Amino acid sequence: GQQLNQSPQSMFIQEGEDVSMNCTSSSIFNTWLWYKQDPGEGPVLLIALYKAGELTSNGRLTAQFGITRKDSFLNISASIPSDVGIYFCAGQLGGGSNYKLTFGKGTLLTVNP
Amino acid sequence: DSGVTQTPKHLITATGQRVTLRCSPRSGDLSVYWYQQSLDQGLQFLIQYYNGEERAKGNILERFSAQQFPDLHSELNLSSLELGDSALYFCASSSRSFGYTFGSGTRLTVV
Repeated sequence: GQQLNQSPQSMFIQEGEDVSMNCTSSSIFNTWLWYKQDPGEGPVLLIALYKAGELTSNGRLTAQFGITRKDSFLNISASIPSDVGIYFCAGQLGGGSNYKLTFGKGTLLTVNP
Repeated sequence: DSGVTQTPKHLITATGQRVTLRCSPRSGDLSVYWYQQSLDQGLQFLIQYYNGEERAKGNILERFSAQQFPDLHSELNLSSLELGDSALYFCASSSRSFGYTFGSGTRLTVV
């Protein structure tokens, strides 16, 4: 089956630092998504990427859909304490929205004030 | 509030028992998905329903079953529970307009 390899597993950074995490897959995906999960809550969508090579920003977040359609990265600039949480990448194979997601195992981000 | 409602939020039950988890999708969303999240396995896709019909199946045990009703809410039934079934269970719904949205989850503890 499809597998997503997400790295790093965890990161400890100082407030103000930039963060980068990435996901690679053995399979091609049509859509890449990045989610953040806070303790006790469900994952919340941060950025969605729909085209190979696409670079998309959402405030301090920037994500790219790899040209090969098998990878994606997420950058967070000037981190703040509320960035703490688990970040998940997810790939979607189908062309529309009504297809299941395959998730990476997450990156646990800790930000020291 | 994401618009996806899951009940109950917490559930504690004994091994061998059966429980039902409920999900109400965001208004107008036809697709409902169930995911299991455990510490070592991450988010694992269990099953998807689209407008009442099963559409895709993932790593769902035979002891687990689900259905989607005419009003589009969905239930996940877990039976003959084992300690290893303790996890967070998430429901998500999707639409072309708003994409994929998760509920807050049900934390199941089997003792």
